[in-house]
Amino acid sequence: EIVLTQSPATLSLSPGDSATLACRASQSVSSHFLAWYQQKPGQAPRLLIYSAYSRATGVPDRFSGSGSETDFTLTISRLEPEDFAVYYCQQYGTPFTFGPGTKVDMK
Amino acid sequence: EVQLVESGGGLVRPGGSLRLSCAASGFTFSSHWMHWVRQVPGRGLVWVSRISSDATKTQYADSVKGRFTISRDNARNTLYLQMNRLRVDDTAVYYCAREDLWEGAFDIWGRGTFLTVSS
Repeated sequence: EIVLTQSPATLSLSPGDSATLACRASQSVSSHFLAWYQQKPGQAPRLLIYSAYSRATGVPDRFSGSGSETDFTLTISRLEPEDFAVYYCQQYGTPFTFGPGTKVDMK
Repeated sequence: EVQLVESGGGLVRPGGSLRLSCAASGFTFSSHWMHWVRQVPGRGLVWVSRISSDATKTQYADSVKGRFTISRDNARNTLYLQMNRLRVDDTAVYYCAREDLWEGAFDIWGRGTFLTVSS
């Protein structure tokens, strides 16, 4: 099973700042099977990025993904108030696993 | 509108059983692999199970293998999760999620149904 770790656990930023979230895998993630999800309190997760760098439908271009093999990054440029949430990375090879999440909160 | 709506959660005693349902609408349900994912409030997401579009293949997390059974009825556009021998640590919000046809990520999620296992 591929174990995902995310850092930092919490990121305290202000609207307009940029956020850089890291996701590290315990072994290489095949074929870029790496996704990022956003979850707000009381809501279901929302797919943001798939295949490590492709934005899902309707996701603003201030969200970008990068990385390969074991190291991946989600970057949010120019944080908007609605971006303060928890972000999870996921690898979707079997068995599917999620990282523990990074909370982006308002400073 | 593409939508998944879970139902069937509630309070169950340890050792009991419950079946969750997930009603799909707005897309061709029979074309997609489907998943169950759970989340203890305040904690992270945990994948539970997956079923192929034609229901011939299933997979489970080790923590539920032998106790949970995923199934689907493509004529009714409904996904199920039969949960037996429930434990306190099965307490969570259970989400159903659609697997994207081409990419494999979970592109549509329901709002979840809450299961409490407690005596």
